[in-house]
Amino acid sequence: DIQMTQSPSSLSASVGDRVTITCRASQGISNYLAWVQHKPGKAPKTLVYGATTLQSGVPSRLSGSGSGTDFTLTISSLQPEDSATYYCQQHLSYPLTFGGGTKVEIK
Amino acid sequence: EVQLVESGGELVQPGGSLRLSCAASGFTFNNYWMHWVRQAPGKGLVWVSRINTDGGSTNYADSLRGRFTISRDNAKNTLYLQVNSLRAEDTGVYFCARERCRGSCSFDYWGQGTLVTVSS
Repeated sequence: DIQMTQSPSSLSASVGDRVTITCRASQGISNYLAWVQHKPGKAPKTLVYGATTLQSGVPSRLSGSGSGTDFTLTISSLQPEDSATYYCQQHLSYPLTFGGGTKVEIK
Repeated sequence: EVQLVESGGELVQPGGSLRLSCAASGFTFNNYWMHWVRQAPGKGLVWVSRINTDGGSTNYADSLRGRFTISRDNAKNTLYLQVNSLRAEDTGVYFCARERCRGSCSFDYWGQGTLVTVSS
């Protein structure tokens, strides 16, 4: 199975800050990487697929980068509505696997 | 508008069974692979299972194979997850999700989930 390791597990930042979440795959997954946002009691929402492509409607302050084993989700200017838990997820091979999550809180 | 609405979650005793449903609307259901993902209380997202368009091909998380069965009824636009021999560790919210592949695949739509509680 492909293990996905995220860091940090949580962070607290102010509105307007630049925030970076990293994800490492235990083996190369090319660009078969998605980022998923999840707020309590809500449906999860896929923000980025193919490591770098924003899902339709996702604000441009979010961006994804990386390929192979190392990936990054960046929020260029943190907004209150970005408070959530973020997961990376590989879609290369079964079983599909998620990272452990990064909880983003607003100071 | 694409909608995925899960149902069927409830309180069940250990060893019991449930059938979860995911009603799909707003798209041509039989054109898409579908998945189940779950989240235990206070834990992260875990992929459960996937089914292809005609139901002839499935995959499962290794730890769940044999107890869980994914299926679909394309005439009813509904995805199912039969869960048997339930254990306390199966407690959580179960989400259905639609897979879309555009070069790389991902879940482009998710439901809001249905809560399964396994307890005596």
